[in-house]
Amino acid sequence: AQKVTQAQTEISVVEKEDVTLDCVYETRDTTYYLFWYKQPPSGELVFLIRRNSFDEQNEISGRYSWNFQKSTSSFNFTITASQVVDSAVYFCALSEAAAGGSYIPTFGRGTSLIVHP
Amino acid sequence: GAVVSQHPSRVICKSGTSVKIECRSLDFQATTMFWYRQFPKQSLMLMATSNEGSKATYEQGVEKDKFLINHASLTLSTLTVTSAHPEDSSFYICSARPVSLNSPLHFGNGTRLTVT
Repeated sequence: AQKVTQAQTEISVVEKEDVTLDCVYETRDTTYYLFWYKQPPSGELVFLIRRNSFDEQNEISGRYSWNFQKSTSSFNFTITASQVVDSAVYFCALSEAAAGGSYIPTFGRGTSLIVHP
Repeated sequence: GAVVSQHPSRVICKSGTSVKIECRSLDFQATTMFWYRQFPKQSLMLMATSNEGSKATYEQGVEKDKFLINHASLTLSTLTVTSAHPEDSSFYICSARPVSLNSPLHFGNGTRLTVT
């Protein structure tokens, strides 16, 4: 069984603030993948990052950074100096090799981020 | 790269009619596509896995006779909501994955279905 928990339902910040979105996962597999997707108000899902279970190196991409800690089964996402355009729902997802190795992701419930000007 | 096109983006239909939603991978071949459903302020729930040239695999609780999936080619999968009811109103989103099984899914823009 797999489970992704995004405990924060909604976060509201003022522009230029830093914000961290939490993601905690459960899996019994040793090989798995973690993802973050962004869903702006228009509805499409935008892929942000994928991390495999053997790579705990943190990653930074511009204002975005990700902290993967296997010891706490967490894959948190930080936006530095937030902007209004960052307002969206952010989904964390986990995929593991199910029967047939399909790696179909399971999504968390999402965190709605609202950035006020 | 990895663009997935979904059409239509919005559709309103009357109860009892059927609606077809198309999902195309524009710049890659996808032997497998996935159909998700999203209720307001909820997560994405996998409905079915669409396999090119074979029958779709439906998740538990999803009526295969109501949600007909056809994956006729390596770039096209369709979802038909048959005899639609107001409770079928939702946001449907398809996704496809390039060749490698552990590649990330790329999503279409979704279809907002409203059944009146």
